[in-house]
Amino acid sequence: GENVEQHPSTLSVQEGDSAVIKCTYSDSASNYFPWYKQELGKRPQLIIDIRSNVGEKKDQRIAVTLNKTAKHFSLHITETQPEDSAVYFCAARGYGGSQGNLIFGKGTKLSVKP
Amino acid sequence: DGGITQSPKYLFRKEGQNVTLSCEQNLNHDAMYWYRQDPGQGLRLIYYSQIVNDFQKGDIAEGYSVSREKKESFPLTVTSAQKNPTAFYLCASSIGPGTGNGYTFGSGTRLTVV
Repeated sequence: GENVEQHPSTLSVQEGDSAVIKCTYSDSASNYFPWYKQELGKRPQLIIDIRSNVGEKKDQRIAVTLNKTAKHFSLHITETQPEDSAVYFCAARGYGGSQGNLIFGKGTKLSVKP
Repeated sequence: DGGITQSPKYLFRKEGQNVTLSCEQNLNHDAMYWYRQDPGQGLRLIYYSQIVNDFQKGDIAEGYSVSREKKESFPLTVTSAQKNPTAFYLCASSIGPGTGNGYTFGSGTRLTVV
């Protein structure tokens, strides 16, 4: 089945700097890759997603890139702000044993220092 | 107001007691999921249901049970067999398995053993 690895587990940046979180996946048939942001004690919320027929997608300060050959995708946050501090989860839609369910990475705790 | 509702927000369980967590959605989604989240940890899949009257075990199903008698509802029972139930429980739904859409999460139930 699908396996998703996420790095780093923690990331600390200064306000205004960029942050990059990377994920790799194992199932070459995976075709959908969402990113979720979870603030402390709150629900995970979808912030951006990308499908396998696209290499990059951008939404204001957030962008996601996908390299299907290498089976990895990354979240890029530019001009970070304190309100970007949260745990970020990547996910991949797996097939076969995962039956089309999303498989989540273990999360990255991002801290943005003012 | 469409969405997914979990109740209660906080729940306290005594040793040896079964408790049931509620999850209701009015999004007309076919698939529903239960995840467990421990402090500083990722999302671990407990059970999922891709269609009414059918459900499957996830990675950590032992000590838990579910039912899916209605499309809108997917309650989770934490039984006395679950020896370490203190955690944050998240319910999610999606249009259907294998579709290129992400999950919508509920706001969670925090369960504590007293």
